[in-house]
Amino acid sequence: QKEVEQDPGPLSVPEGAIVSLNCTYSNSAFQYFMWYRQYSRKGPELLMYTYSSGNKEDGRFTAQVDKSSKYISLFIRDSQPSDSATYLCAMSEAAGNKLTFGGGTRVLVKP
Amino acid sequence: DSGVTQTPKHLITATGQRVTLRCSPRSGDLSVYWYQQSLDQGLQFLIQYYNGEERAKGNILERFSAQQFPDLHSELNLSSLELGDSALYFCASSRLYGYTFGSGTRLTVV
Repeated sequence: QKEVEQDPGPLSVPEGAIVSLNCTYSNSAFQYFMWYRQYSRKGPELLMYTYSSGNKEDGRFTAQVDKSSKYISLFIRDSQPSDSATYLCAMSEAAGNKLTFGGGTRVLVKP
Repeated sequence: DSGVTQTPKHLITATGQRVTLRCSPRSGDLSVYWYQQSLDQGLQFLIQYYNGEERAKGNILERFSAQQFPDLHSELNLSSLELGDSALYFCASSRLYGYTFGSGTRLTVV
């Protein structure tokens, strides 16, 4: 079993819909949680960075962490075709430690 | 431009050969991480350097090695290349919040 599980998709939504993404993990030592966006196997781009449990909002993006359930989520409001990409969750045990990635979810936002 | 520079962008080489991938971290970042991304494996951590010293090692093959130089740039050396080594190789650097990735080197072994 992988340390971080993520549904590979693809997840297809109409423009303007809310995109809901999630990851589950097994390592209770993870404390830092990130979401990255990757276009066509370009370099991953950091979207959200959260520490421990709770919610964080940045523009159209909301990240949620539930450490008790070992479950993290990313919500994208008012989705746009330009949001079509692969979304990767990543986590680490401490700041500066290696990141462990989920396999990524491919998202397609249709005009 | 993320600030993390990787060269070359593309590399095509034959089996059995040796290649060197180069990474320059963002200005001021002391840590460099190397990741391999293949079609069926996702992003796999290879190795981390911090200020010239090896900090952590992942599932890096013995045929692969890395180092970080005094100017903080890093090189990943891949030798005795096999077809299965074909992948995207990313490096990243980090500071207090977040890890920034370069645009990667696409390695094709033929």
